[in-house]
Amino acid sequence: ETGVTQTPRHLVMGMTNKKSLKCEQHLGHNAMYWYKQSAKKPLELMFVYSLEERVENNSVPSRFSPECPNSSHLFLHLHTLQPEDSALYLCASSQDPEYSNQPQHFGDGTRLSIL
Amino acid sequence: AQKITQTQPGMFVQEKEAVTLDCTYDTSDPSYGLFWYKQPSSGEMIFLIYQGSYDQQNATEGRYSLNFQKARKSANLVISASQLGDSAMYFCAMREGPNNNDMRFGAGTRLTVKP
Repeated sequence: ETGVTQTPRHLVMGMTNKKSLKCEQHLGHNAMYWYKQSAKKPLELMFVYSLEERVENNSVPSRFSPECPNSSHLFLHLHTLQPEDSALYLCASSQDPEYSNQPQHFGDGTRLSIL
Repeated sequence: AQKITQTQPGMFVQEKEAVTLDCTYDTSDPSYGLFWYKQPSSGEMIFLIYQGSYDQQNATEGRYSLNFQKARKSANLVISASQLGDSAMYFCAMREGPNNNDMRFGAGTRLTVKP
């Protein structure tokens, strides 16, 4: 039990499909993050939400659309994805993001494959 | 520019021996935090240990210790008494300054523990 739960664990979709990734944290944290992990590349930060407000969007294509309805839930809505979007998508949460000593706690990830 | 460098793509260690995983970083911010994470094949990123830039002593957490050499900008992870379950990817990461949500990760080192 990691405290951060991601569903689904695996997702295969066509380029024209629309799907959503879900993340839920049970740690009482007030910041949540989406990361993309591609093969042979460092982890890439995609979006950051602090107190349910988006505070960072790292030049992510508009085919990825995040949503944070409350401090415990984070979604990543996917539409018209490309084959290069196939990757492991990791959700994380942390307490007090304004302090650099706070670790981020990660979920197990969703492995996404685009056909 | 690469902020975090892990020069060892793969490392092997004999069970029960100690191993050092290298990490160097680049920052001009006097306040920063350094983190090490373990990622087993299941995908989850597990937080291991934290070192703050102003910490006078090297961080330790059980079998994990951090060899922090500030002048050299290195933060090597030392795992003592390696176990088979330590086989995984290990990532070094850094957050710079307060009010910064961006955590930068290195490319990782794959550690294999041999029986």
